[in-house]
Amino acid sequence: QKEVEQNSGPLSVPEGAIASLNCTYSDRGSQSFFWYRQYSGKSPELIMFIYSNGDKEDGRFTAQLNKASQYVSLLIRDSQPSDSATYLCAGDNNAGNMLTFGGGTRLMVKP
Amino acid sequence: KAGVTQTPRYLIKTRGQQVTLSCSPISGHRSVSWYQQTPGQGLQFLFEYFSETQRNKGNFPGRFSGRQFSNSRSEMNVSTLELGDSALYLCASSLVQITGELFFGEGSRLTVL
Repeated sequence: QKEVEQNSGPLSVPEGAIASLNCTYSDRGSQSFFWYRQYSGKSPELIMFIYSNGDKEDGRFTAQLNKASQYVSLLIRDSQPSDSATYLCAGDNNAGNMLTFGGGTRLMVKP
Repeated sequence: KAGVTQTPRYLIKTRGQQVTLSCSPISGHRSVSWYQQTPGQGLQFLFEYFSETQRNKGNFPGRFSGRQFSNSRSEMNVSTLELGDSALYLCASSLVQITGELFFGEGSRLTVL
């Protein structure tokens, strides 16, 4: 069973702080990993993907991948109340768009 | 550019009935994937279509089926509905087959009574 695990939260951080979201995966065959954000009552939207070990930065977001430890993380700098959402980590199965999603971490950014 | 369009947005069915959900992908997108989202199981992959061919199928019973038309529009069908099929069904389109960059529609919320 290929799994992606996330702490369900909620993770509460004050406005302006760094939010750190983590994810572990079991399938060593997974090549790429994705972070989707889902606001309450809305559909998921892709915010970042990463496929190489190390860090990838995009604005306030940094994705980190450690394939040896089977660990993926997303850092959100200068967190804003508008970042409050559920963040879904997903790994590919080396098979098209067949992604395995984690259960999501609910992030709450308090003003 | 129009996004992914799913119809109907909400529907209520009773056990034993069947349902057909429709998805129109973003113009130019040839890959369409379907996911089921429930509070207990989260987002689970159902199937993916590319150029009218099913490329991948998730671990769902045969009651769940789908197809893709030549214009990339897709439908999924669930027969002999069970209470546990109550969920949000999300369609996602992608420009190319292997990216993981999915653009999700707003979903079809199915309630089975």
